[in-house]
Amino acid sequence: DTAVSQTPKYLVTQMGNDKSIKCEQNLGHDTMYWYKQDSKKFLKIMFSYNNKELIINETVPNRFSPKSPDKAHLNLHINSLELGDSAVYFCASSQPQGYGYTFGSGTRLTVV
Amino acid sequence: GNSVTQMEGPVTLSEEAFLTINCTYTATGYPSLFWYVQYPGEGLQLLLKATKADDKGSNKGFEATYRKETTSFHLEKGSVQVSDSAVYFCALRSQGGSEKLVFGKGTKLTVNP
Repeated sequence: DTAVSQTPKYLVTQMGNDKSIKCEQNLGHDTMYWYKQDSKKFLKIMFSYNNKELIINETVPNRFSPKSPDKAHLNLHINSLELGDSAVYFCASSQPQGYGYTFGSGTRLTVV
Repeated sequence: GNSVTQMEGPVTLSEEAFLTINCTYTATGYPSLFWYVQYPGEGLQLLLKATKADDKGSNKGFEATYRKETTSFHLEKGSVQVSDSAVYFCALRSQGGSEKLVFGKGTKLTVNP
């Protein structure tokens, strides 16, 4: 069983479109995250939810909107996609302090 | 704020060579420290961790010691293999607050046969 699963794995879309990425975890963790990895492999946190409540919202354009219907799911919706949104997006989950995160395998988004 | 600084890559070694990837951090209090590995085309996997000063994390022949006096968590392996070729990330997670995981910029390791 995959612990943190993301869909789709690849997403190619045109500028201006709206797209969603889904994430689910079966680890029973309370907290879920979205990270963006750019072309230089740099990882930056975007959002964090704890038990469906938003607790971290870094400086991210408001075209990006996370949604957490329950603590096992955290989806990412992106409006009006731009070329600069092309990246790999990772979902992750964790338990409290002292533990690392468990990451999904990533969604490679390419905006053309 | 919290930050992690890793040695710039890429690092290229021959099989069976000794590996060190330096990592230093800036944080308040006593963060937990981690090394993650990303193999080509895959997500991030936790390699090892240490949660308090002088702890040594180890896994798959890799090890790192939490040194509070030098704010360092250097990754070492005595004899690398071709299969160790990957990008390695040092990270910290602070106590309290938002507890987000902060990553270094990653170090790409290539091991040649």
